[in-house]
Amino acid sequence: QQPVQSPQAVILREGEDAVINCSSSKALYSVHWYRQKHGEAPVFLMILLKGGEQKGHDKISASFNEKKQQSSLYLTASQLSYSGTYFCGTEWGAAGNKLTFGGGTRVLVKP
Amino acid sequence: GAGVSQSPRYKVAKRGQDVALRCDPISGHVSLFWYQQALGQGPEFLTYFQNEAQLDKSGLPSDRFFAERPEGSVSTLKIQRTQQEDSAVYLCASSLVLAGESTTYNEQFFGPGTRLTVL
Repeated sequence: QQPVQSPQAVILREGEDAVINCSSSKALYSVHWYRQKHGEAPVFLMILLKGGEQKGHDKISASFNEKKQQSSLYLTASQLSYSGTYFCGTEWGAAGNKLTFGGGTRVLVKP
Repeated sequence: GAGVSQSPRYKVAKRGQDVALRCDPISGHVSLFWYQQALGQGPEFLTYFQNEAQLDKSGLPSDRFFAERPEGSVSTLKIQRTQQEDSAVYLCASSLVLAGESTTYNEQFFGPGTRLTVL
């Protein structure tokens, strides 16, 4: 079952913040966040495994709610390099399994 | 040393032709995944290998799609009698983790993909 991502697209000015949400109808084993630029491979950002977990990577951070059904990605003080499409990939059951990706959130950061 | 590599990067095929797409995973990675990504969509799972064993092929859209990894390293995705709906980017990913292992380090590393266009 594909997770639902929102919003589908967001336009930011450099320095602004944004939140991207990823929701599942059932509890997940983990959530993986990736960023993909046009014509390039998806690049791994972070994994969240535990309910209530929060994790950060530079000025990009993420959280996983207690029920493990929703994750949010936070872009803080956005930079031009943050532009791209962000995907959440979800795992059910156990580690090492296939990822089921959301439809993506297109982020454009303007000067 | 690098990351996952895929070849060719671009492939144009006439409808009905067979194609073969190659994936070289990161050395030592036991798990290998193939995904299909349509324009503007997220990647969709096709098949999964653990070493040379194909453990999950539930995402292959038809029996025209076939994948192998005979020696547990390089993998080939073959599409027979290509159709226009096969046009997409085919992504390969590899991971250190075995299915079922409990670890935080089960990141999947993606290759750049092969863009297949069927005319």
